[in-house]
Amino acid sequence: DTEVTQTPKHLVMGMTNKKSLKCEQHMGHRAMYWYKQKAKKPPELMFVYSYEKLSINESVPSRFSPECPNSSLLNLHLHALQPEDSALYLCASSQGDGLNTEAFFGQGTRLTVV
Amino acid sequence: QKEVEQDPGPLSVPEGAIVSLNCTYSNSAFQYFMWYRQYSRKGPELLMYTYSSGNKEDGRFTAQVDKSSKYISLFIRDSQPSDSATYLCAIGSWGKLQFGAGTQVVVTP
Repeated sequence: DTEVTQTPKHLVMGMTNKKSLKCEQHMGHRAMYWYKQKAKKPPELMFVYSYEKLSINESVPSRFSPECPNSSLLNLHLHALQPEDSALYLCASSQGDGLNTEAFFGQGTRLTVV
Repeated sequence: QKEVEQDPGPLSVPEGAIVSLNCTYSNSAFQYFMWYRQYSRKGPELLMYTYSSGNKEDGRFTAQVDKSSKYISLFIRDSQPSDSATYLCAIGSWGKLQFGAGTQVVVTP
């Protein structure tokens, strides 16, 4: 089983709303990632958690706040987003030993900010 | 100059043909290499993973890595219309993946 589950699949939110994206994996992976993908562009790394600790933040604006409650779950809290933040948000996980292993992606949450 | 270069295509081939995809990279620190397939509005699906130079085969897919030339390839044999998708190379080091632009492949019946 190489499944990474993301909820919700679609989300429409206003610029003053607070919402959260959720990601779950049960492969025993210890590294989890958030990526952002705009239309016809490759995914761009946002955050990396390794053993439940934030190890990489790619200078993401503070309106995006990641959280890793346990080794299976990863959340992305959203607040005061802008319309240009509309994108496909992808979660991924990997075994985490040295972070040099294959990464498996979820199906993404398609976010629209209005 | 981008760290990973990939021709965005589109690449159109007839059914049954071999699809040949490639990427070049500039940073010799990259340690592992992956190919993903992405259908429209879906997440990327891992096809191949390798960390050493040479060939790796899995069914109709063959991945090649040449670290001395900083060049990676993916070959798809006996292509099917269901192979029509965007193919992304991803090259990484310590959890940071750099993706190529993605090549759109269209396999025509």
